[in-house]
Amino acid sequence: NAGVTQTPKFRILKIGQSMTLQCAQDMNHNYMYWYRQDPGMGLKLIYYSVGAGITDKGEVPNGYNVSRSTTEDFPLRLELAAPSQTSVYFCASRTDRHTEAFFGQGTRLTVV
Amino acid sequence: KQEVTQIPAALSVPEGENLVLNCSFTDSAIYNLQWFRQDPGKGLTSLLLIQSSQREQTSGRLNASLDKSSGRSTLYIAASQPGDSATYLCALGPNYGQNFVFGPGTRLSVLP
Repeated sequence: NAGVTQTPKFRILKIGQSMTLQCAQDMNHNYMYWYRQDPGMGLKLIYYSVGAGITDKGEVPNGYNVSRSTTEDFPLRLELAAPSQTSVYFCASRTDRHTEAFFGQGTRLTVV
Repeated sequence: KQEVTQIPAALSVPEGENLVLNCSFTDSAIYNLQWFRQDPGKGLTSLLLIQSSQREQTSGRLNASLDKSSGRSTLYIAASQPGDSATYLCALGPNYGQNFVFGPGTRLSVLP
């Protein structure tokens, strides 16, 4: 059972480039989340979704976009990468707000 | 706004000791609390989920308690092992939203 799968695991981007971080879950979870984790700063919510076709901003959405066309997938799009987006990105999912959340292994992104 | 603190920020203990990690929060209006561990360079692994109506949950050598009235949760680890070395994070599910609010974590080192 795969759980939450994130790709790629590592990526180096140049300033101004764009990329999509992929997240897929095979647990039929309705809720999906994108977080970023910076050293000493804890986890910050970027975007979340409570079901296919429904997304909403979190605490730090600027510079990012998401879509949720299927229950399984929740890609995160970075437009015009900036050094401030250097971070580790985690995707998570759960059935609903009352249930256990599961995290992917993360994508380590460096913008140079 | 919910504020979450975890004390201590770091802890080093010899193998075999029983230990307690603390999580404090300012707003008792939560519907659950989840404890995670994070190994260096890895994602978050769920340890225990406590619903707001519960007082504690147990899994193997781990026991988590929740006292909403005092704004506290504790994670008790019995007979610690070097493999328990990791960062432990608590995450609260507030009544008013779909998201988690994470604590900053406690970095645990168990020395052989």
